[in-house]
Amino acid sequence: EADIYQTPRYLVIGTGKKITLECSQTMGHDKMYWYQQDPGMELHLIHYSYGVNSTEKGDLSSESTVSRIRTEHFPLTLESARPSHTSQYLCASSVVGGRSGYTFGSGTRLTVV
Amino acid sequence: AQRVTQPEKLLSVFKGAPVELKCNYSYSGSPELFWYVQYSRQRLQLLLRHISRESIKGFTADLNKGETSFHLKKPFAQEEDSAMYYCALLNSGYSTLTFGKGTMLLVSP
Repeated sequence: EADIYQTPRYLVIGTGKKITLECSQTMGHDKMYWYQQDPGMELHLIHYSYGVNSTEKGDLSSESTVSRIRTEHFPLTLESARPSHTSQYLCASSVVGGRSGYTFGSGTRLTVV
Repeated sequence: AQRVTQPEKLLSVFKGAPVELKCNYSYSGSPELFWYVQYSRQRLQLLLRHISRESIKGFTADLNKGETSFHLKKPFAQEEDSAMYYCALLNSGYSTLTFGKGTMLLVSP
């Protein structure tokens, strides 16, 4: 079944560790996005991609980086995690144009201690 | 810059009462708006799009360009409607969505 998958679902790590949050989709979508959902539940766009080898920064400044080597895969990396990175990270995908709306993954809840 | 405003953080109603979740937007182009819903322990999912003019789970939303609003309405709320609701605006130039801060709807029996 076509879907978008995020792993891990929950992650608790120590300060200074490097982490990668995985996101893969079998929707056949070209566009992919990362949103940060803060404790107040507001969503902020941090990265997006139009397709392979295309990445852009979103509205919210983030110390994370992304890559898009394959259409279906859009991982997010934090080189050195800090407590301020504690949040929920949501991955989404859409067809070109976005007019049909986004499909979201289940999210990764990250806690940095 | 585009902006989406949901003025209510929490809306609490009784089962069977009418519901209106407010959404106002600011956008220089022709707006395309969406409502997303997040039920407890479930992923964020699309509820409806203004361009399709559909009714989903009894909810409707009409785009009012004069008032720059896209309020979500349901005539008779059900307990299973309790969830977090987000209004979102498409930036057509970049295909990115700007979300409002969300409104938590609580429907009591």
